[in-house]
Amino acid sequence: NAGVTQTPKFRVLKTGQSMTLLCAQDMNHEYMYWYRQDPGMGLRLIHYSVGEGTTAKGEVPDGYNVSRLKKQNFLLGLESAAPSQTSVYFCASRPGTGEFYGYTFGSGTRLTVV
Amino acid sequence: AQRVTQPEKLLSVFKGAPVELKCNYSYSGSPELFWYVQYSRQRLQLLLRHISRESIKGFTADLNKGETSFHLKKPFAQEEDSAMYYCALDNYGQNFVFGPGTRLSVLP
Repeated sequence: NAGVTQTPKFRVLKTGQSMTLLCAQDMNHEYMYWYRQDPGMGLRLIHYSVGEGTTAKGEVPDGYNVSRLKKQNFLLGLESAAPSQTSVYFCASRPGTGEFYGYTFGSGTRLTVV
Repeated sequence: AQRVTQPEKLLSVFKGAPVELKCNYSYSGSPELFWYVQYSRQRLQLLLRHISRESIKGFTADLNKGETSFHLKKPFAQEEDSAMYYCALDNYGQNFVFGPGTRLSVLP
């Protein structure tokens, strides 16, 4: 049982390049999330999905797009990378809502935009 | 708006000393709160959820609705407790709102 897997683990992009981060979970969770982690700012929600085929904007969605074509996968796209998008990106999932359902996190993707 | 604050960016204590990591929240409704821990360059792991009233690795947290707080406590800190700690609030079942985090450093 792999849990939540993120690929790649590290990436360096040049300004203006595009890339896709992949999040895959094998726990049949309904809800999936993308957060970015920056020093002193904690985790900020980029986009999330409450089920296959659905997505919603979070706190900091600008410059990112997402897709959830399959229940187990949640893709985060950067169309034209900017240095401000240098961050650690975490994917998370949860089975449903309620006080017993915490997030399961992936191991993170460290992205540097130069 | 839903918000979680953690007033201390860094908390340093000596091994064996008590530790309290503060968390305050603003929320309309009955809050569901969690604590997550992140060891150096690792993924975040669930430490506690308030509904369970459990004790994990010696940590406990009590929800105080009057003070809108969910402080994390441990009576005797260990060096292996050094990590980043995040308080999180379930935002009406849609997503979690995280605090900025507190870095705990336990000195030998």
